[in-house]
Amino acid sequence: QKEVEQNSGPLSVPEGAIASLNCTYSDRGSQSFFWYRQYSGKSPELIMFIYSNGDKEDGRFTAQLNKASQYVSLLIRDSQPSDSATYLCAVTPAGNEKLTFGTGTRLTIIP
Amino acid sequence: EAGVAQSPRYKIIEKRQSVAFWCNPISGHATLYWYQQILGQGPKLLIQFQNNGVVDDSQLPKDRFSAERLKGVDSTLKIQPAKLEDSAVYLCASRPAGDTQYFGPGTRLTVL
Repeated sequence: QKEVEQNSGPLSVPEGAIASLNCTYSDRGSQSFFWYRQYSGKSPELIMFIYSNGDKEDGRFTAQLNKASQYVSLLIRDSQPSDSATYLCAVTPAGNEKLTFGTGTRLTIIP
Repeated sequence: EAGVAQSPRYKIIEKRQSVAFWCNPISGHATLYWYQQILGQGPKLLIQFQNNGVVDDSQLPKDRFSAERLKGVDSTLKIQPAKLEDSAVYLCASRPAGDTQYFGPGTRLTVL
């Protein structure tokens, strides 16, 4: 079982709709959860991080964490063509700064 | 504030040759990471430095990869000899205490 699993996509969403990206992790002791966006040929950039169960909102982005289900998601509201990218989920275990990444989900926003 | 700098941006070599990558982290960032990102995969941590000491190199193929961080600032990652499967983007990231990682632009390595 992979440590961090994501659907590789591609996920196609119409412009203006909500894009929903999902991630599951295997280490129940994981403590911190991150979403990175990576444009083709570019390096990852941090969008959001979440530590506690529940929702965390930042502009059009909402991260959701359910530690009991070992599940973290990212919602993008009012999707824009500029949101087209690969979204990487990353997890750190308790007491460790090491990021373990999923394989990423490729998102395409259709104008 | 200047970001993480890496060079070269692109490198093409033949298998069994040697190659070195350089990283200059953001000023004041004590922690430095090297990741390998193979096409279609997420970044995989190769080595983590705290100042000039190694914190984690459990996924570094030590028979061919080496890394150093002299004086706790710049870092170099070397591959000797390179294999075809080393073709990837090599990302350097740095992190200040209590904050998240900032990635450099990466070096794209092609091994022929």
